[in-house]
Amino acid sequence: DQQVKQNSPSLSVQEGRISILNCDYTNSMFDYFLWYKKYPAEGPTFLISISSIKDKNEDGRFTVFLNKSAKHLSLHIVPSQPGDSAVYFCAASARSSNTGKLIFGQGTTLQVKP
Amino acid sequence: DAGVTQSPTHLIKTRGQQVTLRCSPKSGHDTVSWYQQALGQGPQFIFQYYEEEERQRGNFPDRFSGHQFPNYSSELNVNALLLGDSALYLCASSYPKTETIYGYTFGSGTRLTVV
Repeated sequence: DQQVKQNSPSLSVQEGRISILNCDYTNSMFDYFLWYKKYPAEGPTFLISISSIKDKNEDGRFTVFLNKSAKHLSLHIVPSQPGDSAVYFCAASARSSNTGKLIFGQGTTLQVKP
Repeated sequence: DAGVTQSPTHLIKTRGQQVTLRCSPKSGHDTVSWYQQALGQGPQFIFQYYEEEERQRGNFPDRFSGHQFPNYSSELNVNALLLGDSALYLCASSYPKTETIYGYTFGSGTRLTVV
């Protein structure tokens, strides 16, 4: 039972353009969502998070949007840079249930072409 | 400031053997979680330790066990290894009061190969 899904295994965009990575979830108990970036041979690196009480959170070039009614979140990267090329994971947790475990999606490989 | 440190980085074991993986959390973090990442998949939660107790566990068999020491470092033990245990094992540390700001900090992982 995949509670967090990233349906696009890969995405390719041109440098300077917008990258949009999508994530869907099924568990309505999730109230905290995170995006991680992973380079080969490294652990995931925290990018940005959003609480379910918000619908948008911005940090520099990265913006996460949350649509609770659709159980959907997306990560926008503007402008995209070649160094953004990596695997991106969305993750969710149910903090109100006092659980710290993260449920991850399968990941989306982003390639930003110069 | 050292982040999360995991050892060893790579390991090859034979089916049926036992393995111990180690993790030192980021300075100031007191909670350690372990994840298994199979090839092409996202990390899967194994368990979480806080105050030397297993606080929560994912859907992993009892062959997977852990420990947290008074200095917050942690070990993951896997007994009776199966070929399917081959994966990248990730350790993540956090401090509950800053999780919503900084998330969880992951180590680079231990690549376990079972032959």
